[in-house]
Amino acid sequence: LAKTTQPISMDSYEGQEVNITCSHNNIATNDYITWYQQFPSQGPRFIIQGYKTKVTNEVASLFIPADRKSSTLSLPRVSLSDTAVYYCLVGLNSGGYQKVTFGTGTKLQVIP
Amino acid sequence: GAGVSQSPSNKVTEKGKDVELRCDPISGHTALYWYRQSLGQGLEFLIYFQGNSAPDKSGLPSDRFSAERTGGSVSTLTIQRTQQEDSAVYLCASSPMGRSDNSPLHFGNGTRLTVT
Repeated sequence: LAKTTQPISMDSYEGQEVNITCSHNNIATNDYITWYQQFPSQGPRFIIQGYKTKVTNEVASLFIPADRKSSTLSLPRVSLSDTAVYYCLVGLNSGGYQKVTFGTGTKLQVIP
Repeated sequence: GAGVSQSPSNKVTEKGKDVELRCDPISGHTALYWYRQSLGQGLEFLIYFQGNSAPDKSGLPSDRFSAERTGGSVSTLTIQRTQQEDSAVYLCASSPMGRSDNSPLHFGNGTRLTVT
């Protein structure tokens, strides 16, 4: 399974754009990149998923370079409610079935 | 629509007792996962179900842990002779398909287990 590396924590002021980068050097050809958000006392929540180039939805954008060895989650104009842990996952199609392994995530603290 | 439901939301038990944690996945979701999250830590994979079978039990930490799924729906995670190190939040997730599919997981809010 592709291993992911992301910063342990980040701080940002309200209203700023936040970019969280995840490294996944040994991503496999069929692997997708998925990001989840987790608030305290809740289970993780799906944010966005992509395979290559750029994906955008109502919550975030995901940028994936051509070599796919990294990806960047972009949160526009964060608010206090975006304070959470963000997980980058790779390898949904590994092993012939969907084994999903989470890393330690990036703890984002939004400051007023 | 209804999401993944877990019960109880909190469970306090004495060391050595058995506990059962329940997960009701989203209707029609064939894949079901159990994870464990210790305080301030990431998610630790425990077991994966596809339908009623469990092709991957590699994350179960010891033979005190077992899980079953019936009717392709409800799953129960059982911990026998609980130990203090079993204290954690146990999370269940489901997705529409498991094989060769990249459907995102839908998580419940977990069961917080405290072993005293």
